[in-house]
Amino acid sequence: KAGVTQTPRYLIKTRGQQVTLSCSPISGHRSVSWYQQTPGQGLQFLFEYFSETQRNKGNFPGRFSGRQFSNSRSEMNVSTLELGDSALYLCASSLAGQSSGNTIYFGEGSWLTVV
Amino acid sequence: LAKTTQPISMDSYEGQEVNITCSHNNIATNDYITWYQQFPSQGPRFIIQGYKTKVTNEVASLFIPADRKSSTLSLPRVSLSDTAVYYCLVVFGSSASKIIFGSGTRLSIRP
Repeated sequence: KAGVTQTPRYLIKTRGQQVTLSCSPISGHRSVSWYQQTPGQGLQFLFEYFSETQRNKGNFPGRFSGRQFSNSRSEMNVSTLELGDSALYLCASSLAGQSSGNTIYFGEGSWLTVV
Repeated sequence: LAKTTQPISMDSYEGQEVNITCSHNNIATNDYITWYQQFPSQGPRFIIQGYKTKVTNEVASLFIPADRKSSTLSLPRVSLSDTAVYYCLVVFGSSASKIIFGSGTRLSIRP
């Protein structure tokens, strides 16, 4: 059974540009969530999608957005990139969502560098 | 304010048992605790998940005392390959409105 797949694995963008990251969840999983990981802030929750609807959102500015498609695949977008957006962006999937008790499985992440 | 706290780092030797504790205040009756292992340049890998008392699988045990204000990940007979960062995760509340990762514990295993 394939795990959570994220693309691209590495990318470099310039300040002011936008970026789109893609995530394919484990087959059968309907919840996809996104996290940002940086050395200074650790792992921070961005948002969660379930059945194409955003269910939860972390404390990030509106430049960070996402969506989920009918096949549960998800994308996240960051507009007007800033140097501080350089991070590892992790996608995770679970069967029924991130309510307590549902195990969350992570992908390998997308490394974004903003220059 | 929901928060999880872990030691920043720990050192141990091959063959030893390692216990990493996570403190989680304001945890509710139905909140689960999950532990992950992360190697450099990789995503976190699920280790174990628990709700109360003790849970054991093929790689670890999770101990949760009655007051549930902390939990302890126990790794039996560690090896060099267990050198990694370990995170506890608590989803506070059934609506998943508070998804809080600990700051991670960097575990170093020596020969």
